[in-house]
Amino acid sequence: SAVISQKPSRDICQRGTSLTIQCQVDSQVTMMFWYRQQPGQSLTLIATANQGSEATYESGFVIDKFPISRPNLTFSTLTVSNMSPEDSSIYLCSVEGAPKNNEQFFGPGTRLTVL
Amino acid sequence: GENVEQHPSTLSVQEGDSAVIKCTYSDSASNYFPWYKQELGKRPQLIIDIRSNVGEKKDQRIAVTLNKTAKHFSLHITETQPEDSAVYFCAASISQAGTALIFGKGTTLSVSS
Repeated sequence: SAVISQKPSRDICQRGTSLTIQCQVDSQVTMMFWYRQQPGQSLTLIATANQGSEATYESGFVIDKFPISRPNLTFSTLTVSNMSPEDSSIYLCSVEGAPKNNEQFFGPGTRLTVL
Repeated sequence: GENVEQHPSTLSVQEGDSAVIKCTYSDSASNYFPWYKQELGKRPQLIIDIRSNVGEKKDQRIAVTLNKTAKHFSLHITETQPEDSAVYFCAASISQAGTALIFGKGTTLSVSS
């Protein structure tokens, strides 16, 4: 399967600030997604990162709070804007289509703590 | 939208026993159902998946069954080992471009030796 990396692996941020998380894949993939996993909880889909167009957001998530970019088939960013302690979570990117369609693999995650 | 229910939330078995985790989904358009294993502090790992045109799939000690009519699918682990201890998540695809997934709440499996 594809090798997926995320930067940073963890960060501690002050409320009101923003953090941009990067996701890099070592091969071209058809789809990239962003998920959030709050402590001890399941994974929640934030959005589908569409290459060359605006991301598709799930209910409860908006572009102003979680702007997403996907400039090419191997890279995406998620920004968590105007952070509050409730944004403390693990943010994971995932990719589909490497090697098979439908199969989805996760990056190592970014552990965010907001003070 | 899609909703995935997963049971039980915790499961404790003795080494060598079988473990079964069950999930139900709500959207009849869902056509892809993966299972992930997540060890503490690590990323979710895809362990097996099934597509809606298949009723059962096996891979060594793990198997997944799907009942499309009843909209439920199950993970079966035989001959459990302590290293099977982890949180297991089921998921179902939602109807949009690509295979965005809705996850169940997870099952914490503990295998004691």
